Amino acid sequence: AQTVTQSQPEMSVQEAETVTLSCTYDTSESNYYLFWYKQPPSRQMILVIRQEAYKQQNATENRFSVNFQKAAKSFSLKISDSQLGDTAMYFCALVDQGGKLIFGQGTELSVKP
Amino acid sequence: GAVVSQHPSRVICKSGTSVKIECRSLDFQATTMFWYRQFPKQSLMLMATSNEGSKATYEQGVEKDKFLINHASLTLSTLTVTSAHPEDSSFYICSASRGGGRSYEQYFGPGTRLTVT
Repeated sequence: AQTVTQSQPEMSVQEAETVTLSCTYDTSESNYYLFWYKQPPSRQMILVIRQEAYKQQNATENRFSVNFQKAAKSFSLKISDSQLGDTAMYFCALVDQGGKLIFGQGTELSVKP
Repeated sequence: GAVVSQHPSRVICKSGTSVKIECRSLDFQATTMFWYRQFPKQSLMLMATSNEGSKATYEQGVEKDKFLINHASLTLSTLTVTSAHPEDSSFYICSASRGGGRSYEQYFGPGTRLTVT
């Protein structure tokens, strides 16, 4: 069975600083996709970043980057220059062969002024 | 592009009644749609996967007679909560995808908050 684990239920960071959210996963597949989603207080799910497992280069999207360690099955999200609008629940997810998303438990991030 | 809407955004219904939630892909054809349930401060739990024109596939533990899913067209899927009870109160989210495999991105609707009194 495929699993996704986020071991940090809550985190906080000062505005303009950097924070890293952790995620580990387990899958027996050799090719797969990993995602980070953001869910702000509006509860709209927003795709932050996507990583294809066969690509060794870590994905980046502006202030968001990942550290993808395939052997360790680790997929952490780094947010640089944190902004108040980054306050949200963050979910790590793995998609299975049938297209189903398997979500981690989530990390609630608070950015403090 | 890739906008998904849900209607209603909030609904309050009395115990024992049924309520229907619509999920529409506004600017693309959604071969596959997914329905999730989310409790406060918790993760999304997949309830079922529906493909246009065929019966939905329900996840283990989800009552198919209670949560009726219809995916009648490439732009519309509906979730009907039948004989709702207070324990069905939750946030329901749909997502839509152009295909059923893992290379297809899921686009999420804004969610529907259901309260059963």
